[in-house]
Amino acid sequence: GIQVEQSPPDLILQEGANSTLRCNFSDSVNNLQWFHQNPWGQLINLFYIPSGTKQNGRLSATTVATERYSLLYISSSQTTDSGVYFCAVALRNQAGTALIFGKGTTLSVSS
Amino acid sequence: GAGVSQTPSNKVTEKGKYVELRCDPISGHTALYWYRQSLGQGPEFLIYFQGTGAADDSGLPNDRFFAVRPEGSVSTLKIQRTERGDSAVYLCASSPGGVNTEAFFGQGTRLTVV
Repeated sequence: GIQVEQSPPDLILQEGANSTLRCNFSDSVNNLQWFHQNPWGQLINLFYIPSGTKQNGRLSATTVATERYSLLYISSSQTTDSGVYFCAVALRNQAGTALIFGKGTTLSVSS
Repeated sequence: GAGVSQTPSNKVTEKGKYVELRCDPISGHTALYWYRQSLGQGPEFLIYFQGTGAADDSGLPNDRFFAVRPEGSVSTLKIQRTERGDSAVYLCASSPGGVNTEAFFGQGTRLTVV
């Protein structure tokens, strides 16, 4: 099956720093989403981005589908950015396959 | 509804008992998904419904797990003869179309089997 690898597994930042999270996937995909799981366990949608670049405030994401990776950029990080960031993909060639998640990047932002 | 709603938020049950977990998707969403998340892991796919039918149930771990969506809206995940290893957070998501549309998750049901 498809492999979804996220790096780094853990990231510790000072408030105000910038960071880049990476998601590599092993096959062509039709859907790619980035989520933030807050300390209460809720998965919050950040981006739906099977290809291209999107920005939302301090966050932006780029997916290069032909090279099978996606990047999530966090600028001027805040303590509220702490939590686990997941990348999830759905395969292009299997219409009935749901989102498959990576293991996540755990981000800790200290003041 | 405004978002995906899951009930109960928490469920504690004894080993061997039967449990039902409910998911109420976003109104109008035809696709519904169940996932299971263990501590420190990413969500693991269980089953995907398109309308009333299960389009993909390849993630169900064994025949103790079963899910239904009889009217194409609310879904129930049923676990028979629960085991301590079933303890996890069970997440439900819905999307407006198939797997190529954006999915939104509920807050999850934390199941603890004692």
